[in-house]
Amino acid sequence: ELKVEQNPLFLSMQEGKNYTIYCNYSTTSDRLYWYRQDPGKSLESLFVLLSNGAVKQEGRLMASLDTKARLSTLHITAAVHDLSATYFCAVTGTGNMLTFGGGTRLMVKP
Amino acid sequence: EPEVTQTPSHQVTQMGQEVILRCVPISNHLYFYWYRQILGQKVEFLVSFYNNEISEKSEIFDDQFSVERPDGSNFTLKIRSTKLEDSAMYFCASSSNTYQPQHFGDGTRLSIL
Repeated sequence: ELKVEQNPLFLSMQEGKNYTIYCNYSTTSDRLYWYRQDPGKSLESLFVLLSNGAVKQEGRLMASLDTKARLSTLHITAAVHDLSATYFCAVTGTGNMLTFGGGTRLMVKP
Repeated sequence: EPEVTQTPSHQVTQMGQEVILRCVPISNHLYFYWYRQILGQKVEFLVSFYNNEISEKSEIFDDQFSVERPDGSNFTLKIRSTKLEDSAMYFCASSSNTYQPQHFGDGTRLSIL
């Protein structure tokens, strides 16, 4: 059974600081996704990572994938309040179903 | 930008009643999915649908659940006899192929009384 774990589950940080969210998964996968969810809202796709060593960047967020370690990271650079949200990683197993991590609730304080 | 639309946004139903949640996936997408998220918990996969048939389903998707694509645009999730534990946010998603991200709708909040 594919398991996906994120840490930390909750992150409170000051504006301007850097931090990394970690996503570990238990079995081989060739697709890893990062999503953002604002309270009461839907899931917004941020990144798709398809190969070992893949790195994607959008604004202050950068995601990377190490398939050998079964680890993805989401790095936040110089956080701003607008980045406050819950971030989920999700991994596909043998089919197309997404198995989600528990989410990291990020709160950026002014 | 095209989006997945879901109706209703909130559904309140008595336990034991049938409920149908509706979704209009993005028009050129071929893969359709339902997920649910119980309040404060992780998002859980229910079912995927491709080429007019179920391609995968989870343990949650038991005989009380069914999906249908009644026409070229709608994709529905039916719960035959609702239970209290079915209360959750239900998300529909679609994708153009198996490698592109799944695009999620805004969800239907289902409350079972």
